[in-house]
Amino acid sequence: AQSVAQPEDQVNVAEGNPLTVKCTYSVSGNPYLFWYVQYPNRGLQFLLKYITGDNLVKGSYGFEAEFNKSQTSFHLKKPSALVSDSALYFCAVRDAKAAGNKLTFGGGTRVLVKP
Amino acid sequence: DTEVTQTPKHLVMGMTNKKSLKCEQHMGHRAMYWYKQKAKKPPELMFVYSYEKLSINESVPSRFSPECPNSSLLNLHLHALQPEDSALYLCASRQEDMGLAGGNEQFFGPGTRLTVL
Repeated sequence: AQSVAQPEDQVNVAEGNPLTVKCTYSVSGNPYLFWYVQYPNRGLQFLLKYITGDNLVKGSYGFEAEFNKSQTSFHLKKPSALVSDSALYFCAVRDAKAAGNKLTFGGGTRVLVKP
Repeated sequence: DTEVTQTPKHLVMGMTNKKSLKCEQHMGHRAMYWYKQKAKKPPELMFVYSYEKLSINESVPSRFSPECPNSSLLNLHLHALQPEDSALYLCASRQEDMGLAGGNEQFFGPGTRLTVL
C-alpha cells in the first residue's frame, strides 16, 4: 500500500520569506514523488518530481524539493514566496512496484502568502 | 499542444438527466484518467484507461460510465446522478513509457464543475 501525509492544512508566510510545505510518504518499494499546485477552480498543475538521482529536485516557478529517504519525506520549498504562490498544494506518490498507474495524493496544504 | 481540454466547464443537471463530459489531449499520451474532486480535498481516482482499454475502475457506481473512443478522447457518461455527485471532475493524461512507466507525470485538464440538482 502507498500513502502520503501532508501534516499542515494551511501554511501562512509573508511575501519574500521562505516557503516550506511538508510531505511524508509510505511505500513498500521505491517511490516516485510528485508535487502539484491547484489554483481556485482550476485543474492541478505539475511542479516537479523525484524519480531517481539527485535528492534535490528543481521545478517550475522557482520551487524545489528535497527527497530524504531516511525520513521518507519530500518537502517542497521556495526561497522567496510571492503573493501569487497562494494556492492549494498536493504531494503525490506512486510505488515503483505497484501495478497500474495509480497516484496517491496527500490531503493538500493551503498556502497563503501575505503582502 | 501540451494541454488537456475538458468540456463543458460547467454543467447543471437534474437527477433524471443524461449528460456527458468530454476530455481531449493531443500529446500522444496513452493513459487517461478520470478523477472526482470535492472542495478543498484531493482528487479521487475513478477510472484509468491504458491504450484505450479500461484498466482501473475504483468501484465507481454504474451511473458513471466511461468511454475511450480513441487515443485522444475520453468521455464520462452521466445518468441518474445524485446531489452528492456534485463536484469538480478532472481528466488527466500521461505518457506510457516502458522505461519510465512509473515516472511520467500526469497532465490535468481544468475540470468540469458539475452540479446535480
